[in-house]
Amino acid sequence: DAGVIQSPRHEVTEMGQEVTLRCKPISGHDYLFWYRQTMMRGLELLIYFNNNVPIDDSGMPEDRFSAKMPNASFSTLKIQPSEPRDSAVYFCASSFQGQGTDTQYFGPGTRLTVL
Amino acid sequence: EDQVTQSPEALRLQEGESSSLNCSYTVSGLRGLFWYRQDPGKGPEFLFTLYSAGEEKEKERLKATLTKKESFLHITAPKPEDSATYLCAVQEATQGGSEKLVFGKGMKLTVNP
Repeated sequence: DAGVIQSPRHEVTEMGQEVTLRCKPISGHDYLFWYRQTMMRGLELLIYFNNNVPIDDSGMPEDRFSAKMPNASFSTLKIQPSEPRDSAVYFCASSFQGQGTDTQYFGPGTRLTVL
Repeated sequence: EDQVTQSPEALRLQEGESSSLNCSYTVSGLRGLFWYRQDPGKGPEFLFTLYSAGEEKEKERLKATLTKKESFLHITAPKPEDSATYLCAVQEATQGGSEKLVFGKGMKLTVNP
Protein backbone atom coordinates (compact mmCIF):
# COMPACT_ATOMS: atom_id res chain seq x y z
CA ASP A 1 0.00 0.00 0.00
CA ALA A 2 1.19 3.51 -0.79
CA GLY A 3 0.28 4.86 2.62
CA VAL A 4 -1.48 8.16 3.23
CA ILE A 5 -0.88 10.57 0.37
CA GLN A 6 -0.93 14.35 0.81
CA SER A 7 -0.58 17.15 -1.67
CA PRO A 8 0.97 19.55 -2.12
CA ARG A 9 4.03 18.84 0.02
CA HIS A 10 4.87 22.52 0.25
CA GLU A 11 2.65 25.55 -0.23
CA VAL A 12 3.67 29.18 -0.08
CA THR A 13 0.91 31.74 -0.38
CA GLU A 14 0.13 35.32 0.50
CA MET A 15 -2.15 36.47 3.25
CA GLY A 16 -5.77 36.54 2.13
CA GLN A 17 -5.44 33.79 -0.46
CA GLU A 18 -7.40 30.55 -0.38
CA VAL A 19 -5.42 27.39 0.36
CA THR A 20 -6.60 23.84 -0.28
CA LEU A 21 -4.77 20.84 1.13
CA ARG A 22 -5.54 17.35 -0.13
CA CYS A 23 -5.40 13.88 1.37
CA LYS A 24 -5.89 10.33 0.13
CA PRO A 25 -6.22 7.88 3.02
CA ILE A 26 -5.05 4.28 3.05
CA SER A 27 -7.50 2.16 1.10
CA GLY A 28 -10.02 0.43 3.36
CA HIS A 29 -9.55 2.81 6.28
CA ASP A 30 -12.78 4.24 7.68
CA TYR A 31 -11.39 7.11 9.78
CA LEU A 32 -9.59 10.19 8.51
CA PHE A 33 -7.93 12.84 10.68
CA TRP A 34 -6.51 16.30 10.01
CA TYR A 35 -3.77 17.59 12.35
CA ARG A 36 -1.70 20.76 12.53
CA GLN A 37 1.84 20.84 13.94
CA THR A 38 3.67 23.95 15.16
CA MET A 39 6.68 24.43 17.39
CA MET A 40 4.62 26.26 19.99
CA ARG A 41 1.58 23.99 20.21
CA GLY A 42 2.85 20.67 18.96
CA LEU A 43 0.54 18.29 17.08
CA GLU A 44 -3.15 19.20 17.41
CA LEU A 45 -6.22 17.46 16.03
CA LEU A 46 -8.36 19.73 13.87
CA ILE A 47 -11.16 17.43 12.73
CA TYR A 48 -11.87 13.78 12.07
CA PHE A 49 -14.27 11.83 9.88
CA ASN A 50 -15.80 8.39 10.14
CA ASN A 51 -17.15 6.87 6.92
CA ASN A 52 -16.91 10.31 5.29
CA VAL A 53 -19.00 12.00 8.02
CA PRO A 54 -17.40 14.66 10.25
CA ILE A 55 -17.48 13.46 13.85
CA ASP A 56 -15.48 15.99 15.86
CA ASP A 57 -14.51 19.41 14.52
CA SER A 58 -13.87 21.02 17.91
CA GLY A 59 -10.23 21.58 17.02
CA MET A 60 -10.94 23.69 13.94
CA PRO A 61 -9.55 27.10 14.91
CA GLU A 62 -12.21 29.30 13.32
CA ASP A 63 -14.63 29.67 10.44
CA ARG A 64 -11.81 30.30 8.01
CA PHE A 65 -11.08 26.57 8.17
CA SER A 66 -13.30 23.96 6.54
CA ALA A 67 -12.87 20.29 5.73
CA LYS A 68 -14.74 17.93 3.46
CA MET A 69 -14.66 14.26 2.64
CA PRO A 70 -16.74 13.69 -0.50
CA ASN A 71 -15.81 10.01 -0.72
CA ALA A 72 -13.80 7.33 1.07
CA SER A 73 -10.62 8.06 -0.85
CA PHE A 74 -10.36 11.85 -0.73
CA SER A 75 -10.49 14.71 1.73
CA THR A 76 -9.69 18.42 1.59
CA LEU A 77 -8.82 21.02 4.20
CA LYS A 78 -9.46 24.56 3.05
CA ILE A 79 -8.34 27.83 4.60
CA GLN A 80 -10.03 30.97 3.31
CA PRO A 81 -8.72 33.59 3.78
CA SER A 82 -5.29 32.47 4.94
CA GLU A 83 -3.31 34.38 7.58
CA PRO A 84 0.39 34.25 8.57
CA ARG A 85 -0.52 32.52 11.84
CA ASP A 86 -1.84 29.58 9.81
CA SER A 87 1.75 28.73 8.84
CA ALA A 88 2.37 25.19 10.06
CA VAL A 89 2.73 21.61 8.90
CA TYR A 90 -0.63 19.98 8.25
CA PHE A 91 -0.88 16.20 8.54
CA CYS A 92 -3.55 13.83 7.41
CA ALA A 93 -3.87 10.43 9.08
CA SER A 94 -6.16 7.45 8.62
CA SER A 95 -7.11 4.39 10.63
CA PHE A 96 -9.22 1.26 10.44
CA GLN A 97 -11.46 0.57 13.40
CA GLY A 98 -11.46 -3.16 13.35
CA GLN A 99 -9.71 -6.25 14.64
CA GLY A 100 -9.00 -4.45 17.90
CA THR A 101 -6.68 -1.92 16.35
CA ASP A 102 -7.14 1.83 16.01
CA THR A 103 -3.66 2.90 15.03
CA GLN A 104 -3.52 6.15 13.10
CA TYR A 105 -1.12 6.21 10.13
CA PHE A 106 0.17 9.60 9.12
CA GLY A 107 0.96 11.09 5.75
CA PRO A 108 4.15 13.07 4.99
CA GLY A 109 2.47 16.40 5.69
CA THR A 110 2.01 19.69 3.84
CA ARG A 111 4.24 22.55 4.96
CA LEU A 112 2.20 25.75 4.61
CA THR A 113 3.81 29.17 4.67
CA VAL A 114 1.55 32.22 4.58
CA LEU A 115 3.42 35.44 3.87
CA GLU B 1 -3.59 22.22 31.76
CA ASP B 2 -1.80 19.87 29.38
CA GLN B 3 -3.18 16.34 29.35
CA VAL B 4 0.11 14.89 28.11
CA THR B 5 3.53 16.02 29.31
CA GLN B 6 6.77 14.64 27.96
CA SER B 7 10.15 14.96 29.60
CA PRO B 8 12.84 15.80 28.96
CA GLU B 9 12.17 18.07 25.97
CA ALA B 10 15.51 17.12 24.48
CA LEU B 11 18.11 14.48 25.25
CA ARG B 12 21.61 13.88 23.97
CA LEU B 13 23.13 10.44 24.38
CA GLN B 14 26.32 8.78 23.32
CA GLU B 15 25.93 5.67 21.21
CA GLY B 16 25.34 2.75 23.57
CA GLU B 17 24.21 4.94 26.48
CA SER B 18 20.80 3.67 27.59
CA SER B 19 18.11 6.02 28.89
CA SER B 20 14.37 6.48 29.36
CA LEU B 21 11.84 9.02 28.12
CA ASN B 22 8.86 9.89 30.26
CA CYS B 23 5.27 10.62 29.26
CA SER B 24 2.86 11.58 32.03
CA TYR B 25 -0.84 11.95 31.36
CA THR B 26 -3.97 13.19 33.08
CA VAL B 27 -7.17 11.72 31.70
CA SER B 28 -10.11 10.36 33.65
CA GLY B 29 -10.02 7.07 31.80
CA LEU B 30 -7.35 5.81 29.43
CA ARG B 31 -8.40 3.96 26.31
CA GLY B 32 -4.91 3.76 24.84
CA LEU B 33 -1.46 5.33 24.96
CA PHE B 34 0.48 5.62 21.73
CA TRP B 35 4.16 6.17 20.97
CA TYR B 36 5.27 7.58 17.63
CA ARG B 37 8.63 8.44 16.15
CA GLN B 38 9.02 11.47 13.88
CA ASP B 39 12.01 12.17 11.65
CA PRO B 40 12.65 15.71 10.35
CA GLY B 41 10.38 16.59 7.44
CA LYS B 42 8.28 13.44 7.82
CA GLY B 43 5.02 12.38 9.40
CA PRO B 44 4.87 10.54 12.72
CA GLU B 45 5.58 6.83 12.43
CA PHE B 46 3.70 4.45 14.73
CA LEU B 47 5.73 2.50 17.29
CA PHE B 48 3.50 1.09 20.06
CA THR B 49 0.07 1.11 21.63
CA LEU B 50 -0.39 0.32 25.33
CA TYR B 51 -3.83 -0.24 26.80
CA SER B 52 -3.50 -1.16 30.48
CA ALA B 53 -1.19 -0.57 33.42
CA GLY B 54 1.59 -3.12 33.57
CA GLU B 55 1.63 -3.70 29.83
CA GLU B 56 4.98 -3.69 28.04
CA LYS B 57 5.91 -3.80 24.36
CA GLU B 58 9.27 -4.09 22.67
CA LYS B 59 10.69 -3.34 19.26
CA GLU B 60 14.40 -3.67 18.61
CA ARG B 61 16.13 -1.33 21.10
CA LEU B 62 12.89 0.24 22.31
CA LYS B 63 10.64 -0.91 25.13
CA ALA B 64 7.49 0.91 26.21
CA THR B 65 5.86 0.47 29.61
CA LEU B 66 2.67 1.85 31.13
CA THR B 67 1.49 2.73 34.63
CA LYS B 68 -1.72 4.44 35.70
CA LYS B 69 -0.16 7.89 35.42
CA GLU B 70 2.75 7.61 33.00
CA SER B 71 4.52 5.71 30.30
CA PHE B 72 8.22 5.20 29.74
CA LEU B 73 10.06 4.59 26.52
CA HIS B 74 13.29 2.81 27.36
CA ILE B 75 16.08 2.95 24.80
CA THR B 76 18.75 0.30 25.24
CA ALA B 77 22.18 0.79 23.68
CA PRO B 78 20.93 3.44 21.22
CA LYS B 79 22.46 3.97 17.80
CA PRO B 80 22.69 7.22 15.80
CA GLU B 81 19.76 6.06 13.65
CA ASP B 82 17.55 6.22 16.75
CA SER B 83 17.89 10.02 16.63
CA ALA B 84 14.40 11.44 16.13
CA THR B 85 11.58 13.16 17.95
CA TYR B 86 9.48 10.75 20.01
CA LEU B 87 5.83 11.63 20.50
CA CYS B 88 3.44 10.29 23.11
CA ALA B 89 -0.34 10.50 22.69
CA VAL B 90 -3.34 9.44 24.75
CA GLN B 91 -6.79 8.38 23.70
CA GLU B 92 -9.35 9.03 26.39
CA ALA B 93 -12.13 6.60 27.15
CA THR B 94 -15.37 8.50 26.55
CA GLN B 95 -19.01 7.50 26.50
CA GLY B 96 -19.25 7.95 22.76
CA GLY B 97 -15.94 6.27 22.02
CA SER B 98 -13.90 9.15 20.61
CA GLU B 99 -10.98 8.38 18.31
CA LYS B 100 -9.27 11.64 19.27
CA LEU B 101 -5.56 11.51 20.13
CA VAL B 102 -4.02 14.18 22.36
CA PHE B 103 -0.29 14.49 21.77
CA GLY B 104 2.53 15.68 23.98
CA LYS B 105 4.98 18.19 22.56
CA GLY B 106 7.57 15.51 21.89
CA MET B 107 11.10 14.72 22.99
CA LYS B 108 14.00 15.26 20.61
CA LEU B 109 16.59 12.52 20.96
CA THR B 110 20.08 12.90 19.53
CA VAL B 111 22.45 9.94 19.64
CA ASN B 112 26.07 10.81 18.92
CA PRO B 113 28.41 8.20 17.42
